[in-house]
Amino acid sequence: AQSVTQPDIHITVSEGASLELRCNYSYGATPYLFWYVQSPGQGLQLLLKYFSGDTLVQGIKGFEAEFKRSQSSFNLRKPSVHWSDAAEYFCAVGSITGNQFYFGTGTSLTVIP
Amino acid sequence: DAGVTQSPTHLIKTRGQQVTLRCSPISGHKSVSWYQQVLGQGPQFIFQYYEKEERGRGNFPDRFSARQFPNYSSELNVNALLLGDSALYLCASTTANSYEQYFGPGTRLTVT
Repeated sequence: AQSVTQPDIHITVSEGASLELRCNYSYGATPYLFWYVQSPGQGLQLLLKYFSGDTLVQGIKGFEAEFKRSQSSFNLRKPSVHWSDAAEYFCAVGSITGNQFYFGTGTSLTVIP
Repeated sequence: DAGVTQSPTHLIKTRGQQVTLRCSPISGHKSVSWYQQVLGQGPQFIFQYYEKEERGRGNFPDRFSARQFPNYSSELNVNALLLGDSALYLCASTTANSYEQYFGPGTRLTVT
C-alpha cells in the first residue's frame, strides 16, 4: 500500500540554523515526490518536486531535497532557517498517472530567535 | 492570473445535512482534485477530475461525490454529514500533463 511517513511531528530550530525534515515513502512503482508548505490559514504551496534525473532537487525559498531510492526517503533541507519558515511541511507521493496522491501527516516547524 | 478559488470559506452544517463545495481552477487548468484535511493531519485525496471525467478516487464512502463542469470548475458534494466530516476541504488544479498541483485556500466545514 502507498504511504508517506514523516517521523517528526514537531521540530524547533533556531533562526540561522540548518534544517532537515525527514520523509519516507512506500510506493509500488517509481514515485513522484513532492514537498509542500502550509502556513496558518493558507493553502498548500509547492516547495519542490522530484520526477527523475538528478536526485538532489532545488526548490523555492532556498530549500532542497534529496531522493534516496535505497532508503525510500526524500528529506527536505535548508542550510539556514529564517523566522518566516515557521509553518507546517508536508511530504507527498504521486502516481505516474497523476490520479493518486498521498500526503504525510506533516511536520510542524517552529523557529526561535 | 487568479489562483484557485474556493467557496464558501467557512460553512457550518448539522449532522445528516448535505453540503456542496465549489472550486474554480486556475485559467487553463483542466484537472481538479479534492482533498480532505482533518485538523492535525495531512490532506487525504478524495477525487481527481479531468475534462469532466473522474480519473481517480480515494478511499472515501459513496456519500462523497463530485463533478466537473465544461468551464472546468468543480463541485464536491457530501451527503448525510457526520461529525467526522468536519475538516478543511482543499481543491487543487493542474494542467493536463503536469503533476504540479496548485491549491486553493480551502473551505472549512464544521459539522455539529
